Amino acid sequence: EDQVTQSPEALRLQEGESSSLNCSYTVSGLRGLFWYRQDPGKGPEFLFTLYSAGEEKEKERLKATLTKKESFLHITAPKPEDSATYLCAVDGYSTLTFGKGTMLLVSP
Amino acid sequence: KAGVTQTPRYLIKTRGQQVTLSCSPISGHRSVSWYQQTPGQGLQFLFEYFSETQRNKGNFPGRFSGRQFSNSRSEMNVSTLELGDSALYLCASDLGPEGDTQYFGPGTRLTVL
Repeated sequence: EDQVTQSPEALRLQEGESSSLNCSYTVSGLRGLFWYRQDPGKGPEFLFTLYSAGEEKEKERLKATLTKKESFLHITAPKPEDSATYLCAVDGYSTLTFGKGTMLLVSP
Repeated sequence: KAGVTQTPRYLIKTRGQQVTLSCSPISGHRSVSWYQQTPGQGLQFLFEYFSETQRNKGNFPGRFSGRQFSNSRSEMNVSTLELGDSALYLCASDLGPEGDTQYFGPGTRLTVL
């Protein structure tokens, strides 16, 4: 059974204070790892797809990396508008399995 | 290109009733998946449809069912509602079963009283 664990559960940062979110996964075969951002009361918004270890993708202040056991979402110089829950999901050639997310709060 | 749309956005029902939720995928997307999201359990997979056929099903009771139409639109039905069915129900679409990014709709917030 595919498993995804995200840490920390919640993270509070000051504006400009960089940090990383972790996504550890166990899957028999990885077709892809996905990062989503979810604002309260809304559906998840797609951020990145990573397919193989060593791959990196960037978008504005966010950078996602992938190893064989985990993925990191690095947030550089965050702004208050980056506050959201960040979800990680793995596609193990069947269905998407999601972690429970990291709730990020960035204070001005 | 229009995104995934879900109707209705909010529903209030009482125990024992049934409910039908609707999802229209992104144009050209033929696969639709449904998820239940609750604060305690996070996002849990309900089922996936492709070309009007259910391809995968999550670990939910038979009260939860779905279908897909020839235009790829999908509906899910929950019968004999229970208090624990209160959740945000999310629909996601993608191109097909070969592995692709799923794009989510805004969800339907179901409250069971």
